[in-house]
Amino acid sequence: QSVLTQPPSASGTPGQRATISCSGNSSNIGGNFVYWYQQLAGAAPKVIIYRNDQRPSGVPDRISGSKSGTSASLAISGLRSEDEAHYYCATWDANLSGWVFGGGTKLTVL
Amino acid sequence: EVQLVESGGGLVQPGGSLRLSCVVSGFKFRSYSMNWVRQAPGKGLEWLSYISSGGGIIYYADSVKGRFTISRDNAKNSVYLQMTSLRVGDTAIYYCAREAPQLWLDHWGQGNLVTVSS
Repeated sequence: QSVLTQPPSASGTPGQRATISCSGNSSNIGGNFVYWYQQLAGAAPKVIIYRNDQRPSGVPDRISGSKSGTSASLAISGLRSEDEAHYYCATWDANLSGWVFGGGTKLTVL
Repeated sequence: EVQLVESGGGLVQPGGSLRLSCVVSGFKFRSYSMNWVRQAPGKGLEWLSYISSGGGIIYYADSVKGRFTISRDNAKNSVYLQMTSLRVGDTAIYYCAREAPQLWLDHWGQGNLVTVSS
């Protein structure tokens, strides 16, 4: 059972917008930055959002992140087939003195 | 080009030990903190351990505390994960990852499979 809660799956058709939620508490998301990772099949994870809503260079602006209170969200607009992947949120947990990942969400582009 | 290459994985019996290595290149290793993350087959990511650039600050996940030990050798551009008292549930792909000041884990190795089975 992950400390951060994500829906196991999400889907959308090409061109649509998909959102993935990540729920935590005051000891993790509520007091720390949230990061989002994309993991394509058979590959290592790649950071796509850092510090809640910042995009690393090379990540398209159709990918965005937000945080409110003890929850965070990842939004991908203009869905493309190459967006099909697993997505993970992560943050520091002060109670655990360690980093925690969400359980991951498999995004399917129908 | 930043590169991280893990090695040392393989098949080990329950209760056994294994030492993973991660050799890096393409950046000033001594300036960066490093982490280990694992992924059990078909499962999600699990953060395991952190070591600061100088090695003086170390953190572990509760699941491996007391069994795993992280260390680094800045002269050899390497970070290690010594794993003891291995359990079947430790079966996973183990990744080393560089921690950048703002991006957190910005570069990852290719992963190294550890299988704990009798």
